[in-house]
Amino acid sequence: QVQLVESGGTVVQPGGSLRLSCAASGFTFSDYAMHWVRQAPGKGLEWVSFISYDGRHKFYADSVKGRFTISRDNSKNTLSLQMNSLRLEDMGVYYCAKEGNAFDIWGQGTMVTVSS
Amino acid sequence: QPGLTQPPSVSKGLRQTATLTCTGNSNNVGNQGAAWLQQHQGHPPKLLSDRNNNRPSGISERLSASRSGSTASLTITGLQPEDEADYYCSAWDTSLSAWVFGGGTKLTVL
Repeated sequence: QVQLVESGGTVVQPGGSLRLSCAASGFTFSDYAMHWVRQAPGKGLEWVSFISYDGRHKFYADSVKGRFTISRDNSKNTLSLQMNSLRLEDMGVYYCAKEGNAFDIWGQGTMVTVSS
Repeated sequence: QPGLTQPPSVSKGLRQTATLTCTGNSNNVGNQGAAWLQQHQGHPPKLLSDRNNNRPSGISERLSASRSGSTASLTITGLQPEDEADYYCSAWDTSLSAWVFGGGTKLTVL
């Protein structure tokens, strides 16, 4: 079945770096754009980044622009998010989502904790 | 970044009808439409309606989405206990070159 599985979330100090991954299965990964969306504890959803199906087009929320980098490896069906210069406000659950005319498939999320 | 506006909470009785709203502008909802997502506590979001107001396979016919100008609406008829959840709208914003979410509406079924 169609599945997205995130990994890489952990505890990191402010100013630190982290790389999240999202493994896709059950669909032709290279045909679809993908997103990262996050949710701070007890808060709503916040869109983070988008990458086109071929990786040529990328967009970022202003809050992460210049610090986060989205990428994908279509040969490995994997989406990644490199997060640098992490801040307290970056803490939350990070979801990857498939773009099929909307955020049609979501992973279970991976928790990023930013704490000294 | 500016987001979409949703009422923080809506309460309705069992078997009643709830209409949730999502207000944006001509750069997002007004010309791009809005998707609707449902999130139960402790679970990832689930798509209820795409930007063209189409329900994915498996989504109840009790749910319907529509748009009038820059306001999108999600109507849920015959409310059931399992409809109690947080509901989010989302749209692509052409002026921001970014996706935006509403703050979410917590639906309580009394």
